Amino acid sequence: DTEVTQTPKHLVMGMTNKKSLKCEQHMGHRAMYWYKQKAKKPPELMFVYSYEKLSINESVPSRFSPECPNSSLLNLHLHALQPEDSALYLCASSRQFPGGGETQYFGPGTRLLVL
Amino acid sequence: AQSVTQLDSQVPVFEEAPVELRCNYSSSVSVYLFWYVQYPNQGLQLLLKYLSGSTLVKGINGFEAEFNKSQTSFHLRKPSVHISDTAEYFCAVSGIQGAQKLVFGQGTRLTINP
Repeated sequence: DTEVTQTPKHLVMGMTNKKSLKCEQHMGHRAMYWYKQKAKKPPELMFVYSYEKLSINESVPSRFSPECPNSSLLNLHLHALQPEDSALYLCASSRQFPGGGETQYFGPGTRLLVL
Repeated sequence: AQSVTQLDSQVPVFEEAPVELRCNYSSSVSVYLFWYVQYPNQGLQLLLKYLSGSTLVKGINGFEAEFNKSQTSFHLRKPSVHISDTAEYFCAVSGIQGAQKLVFGQGTRLTINP
């Protein structure tokens, strides 16, 4: 089973709103990721949590705030976003295979529109 | 640092024809290599991966890829495509130490014509 779930599927928010994206996996994966994907572009990494600790922050603006409450959950808190932040936000989780090899599995994404 | 180049932004083929999607990478360290597929309005699905061992790897939906270290390539192939293979295909690399970011190519749009 390689299922990563994300809620909501779609989100429309104003520039003054506060909202959160949620990601969940029950596969016992040790690492979780947030990626941002603009239309017709590849995904770009935002954050990585490894063993519930933030291990990589790709210089993301502070209006995006990640949180990892436990090993199965990953949140992305949004505040004072700009229209250019409209994108598909993808969550992924990963496990390490015997002999090495960390493989990431992606959720369906949340499509965000900032007005 | 790593980078990935997908040589074709769009590839149109007829149904039941073979297809090859090209991917070249650059890295100063050892990497793992992946192909993901993205259907319209969906997330990314892992097609196949190369971690070590045999350079020919087989994935889901009849796809396979061959790792060529000397040419730093990881081309994706399918002997006979179907309409349902219409999607965006991404080649990606990552470092081999722990949880690391995937670096993606720009993607190849595969369009299957009847």
